[in-house]
Amino acid sequence: GAGVSQTPSNKVTEKGKYVELRCDPISGHTALYWYRQSLGQGPEFLIYFQGTGAADDSGLPNDRFFAVRPEGSVSTLKIQRTERGDSAVYLCASSLQGAGTGELFFGEGSRLTVL
Amino acid sequence: SQQGEEDPQALSIQEGENATMNCSYKTSINNLQWYRQNSGRGLVHLILIRSNEREKHSGRLRVTLDTSKKSSSLLITASRAADTASYFCATDAGVGANNLFFGTGTRLTVIP
Repeated sequence: GAGVSQTPSNKVTEKGKYVELRCDPISGHTALYWYRQSLGQGPEFLIYFQGTGAADDSGLPNDRFFAVRPEGSVSTLKIQRTERGDSAVYLCASSLQGAGTGELFFGEGSRLTVL
Repeated sequence: SQQGEEDPQALSIQEGENATMNCSYKTSINNLQWYRQNSGRGLVHLILIRSNEREKHSGRLRVTLDTSKKSSSLLITASRAADTASYFCATDAGVGANNLFFGTGTRLTVIP
């Protein structure tokens, strides 16, 4: 497929568990973004990659959250010791160069539920 | 925070009417973008307007930007039931910035 792919689409876990969410961006897009969206709210910025490096990780809420993009393509968002407040839809987006020059293409999101 | 705010939070109109949504933001921008989100889905880009532009059209969409007031509006003309969705404005953090911050959204309902 040509779009941004996110897996899993749904994840239910227990409080305290470790979770990984994967994002496969559009081929050739150097910029990759992670957002978190709670019900009825707008997407909340978490982290932005340009290539392999995190250009801005100021939105990560605490050190339980970490994201990687080792080869400049697929990215994984990792959440340790999950809490009920982490329940949300995690959205990934990619862009050819970055939002400063063009649009973001979003995946369908990964819905995380922490029981 | 750079995050914008949309107004109104919710809007309900009859099919065929026009829908206007407003967005205010806080700091200088390079461009402003509008996105649409159907319930339970990802966001879809609608239109991008640059800081040196005042108005832009795309089909039934018309976007205005007033950088002196740090505000933008999205007008959807001749609305259709299929336009029912949430609409978000998004701003970057100025020239050279590639991050994007989203507003709180307007939930539009178009009644057939």
